[in-house]
Amino acid sequence: DQQVKQNSPSLSVQEGRISILNCDYTNSMFDYFLWYKKYPAEGPTFLISISSIKDKNEDGRFTVFLNKSAKHLSLHIVPSQPGDSAVYFCAASLTNYGGSQGNLIFGKGTKLSVKP
Amino acid sequence: SQTIHQWPATLVQPVGSPLSLECTVEGTSNPNLYWYRQAAGRGLQLLFYSVGIGQISSEVPQNLSASRPQDRQFILSSKKLLLSDSGFYLCAWSAYGTQYFGPGTRLLVL
Repeated sequence: DQQVKQNSPSLSVQEGRISILNCDYTNSMFDYFLWYKKYPAEGPTFLISISSIKDKNEDGRFTVFLNKSAKHLSLHIVPSQPGDSAVYFCAASLTNYGGSQGNLIFGKGTKLSVKP
Repeated sequence: SQTIHQWPATLVQPVGSPLSLECTVEGTSNPNLYWYRQAAGRGLQLLFYSVGIGQISSEVPQNLSASRPQDRQFILSSKKLLLSDSGFYLCAWSAYGTQYFGPGTRLLVL
C-alpha cells in the first residue's frame, strides 16, 4: 500500500506561470515532508522541506504548503522556468520512528515540463 | 561541506556476474546511509539503510546485500546479478531528517 502518492505522473506548464505539484499521504504520524527534484541520470536534489508544525514554507520561487487535516501537501513554483523541467518527488518521514529514524517514504514522482 | 561520491557511474554486467557498488561520504561523521534503486519509470525504492559501522537494515528481500566497513563507506553487492537488477542505484546520507543523494550508478544487466 502506497503511503505517499503523487497522482499526476506528468504536468505541463507555460514558462512564467505557476506550477503546482501535489502529493497525498495516508499515515497521519508523518511529521516531516520534503520535495526533491531529479534530472535524468542524476541523483535527486533536495529542494525544500516542511515540518508538520508548519503549514507553509517558502524558499525563493518554491513554496510548500501542508494541509494536515487533508493529508495533502503541494509544491508551488512561481514563476516556472524551462530549467525547472524535471521529475519532482515528494517524500515523508517519521523522524522519531524507532530504528528507521529518518527513513523517507517517496512518492513515484511527477514529471514537470515547462514550455518556453 | 559534505559531499557524496558513487562509482562507477555506469556499469554493464552479464547475468550471473557479481556486483560491487561503492559510496563514500566526506565532511560528516557517523551519517545514516542509504541505498535506493530507481527502476525504469518507477519511483525510489529503499533497499538498505545503515545507522553505523556494521549495522545494516534491509527493506526489501532480494539477492542484493550491503555492508558498511567504515563510517563513511557504504557498499552494495550481489553474488549473482539478475536481469531485474537493472536500474539506477542511488546512495544517500542524512542529516536532521533530510537526505542528500549521490550522483547515482546506472546498472544494466544483460
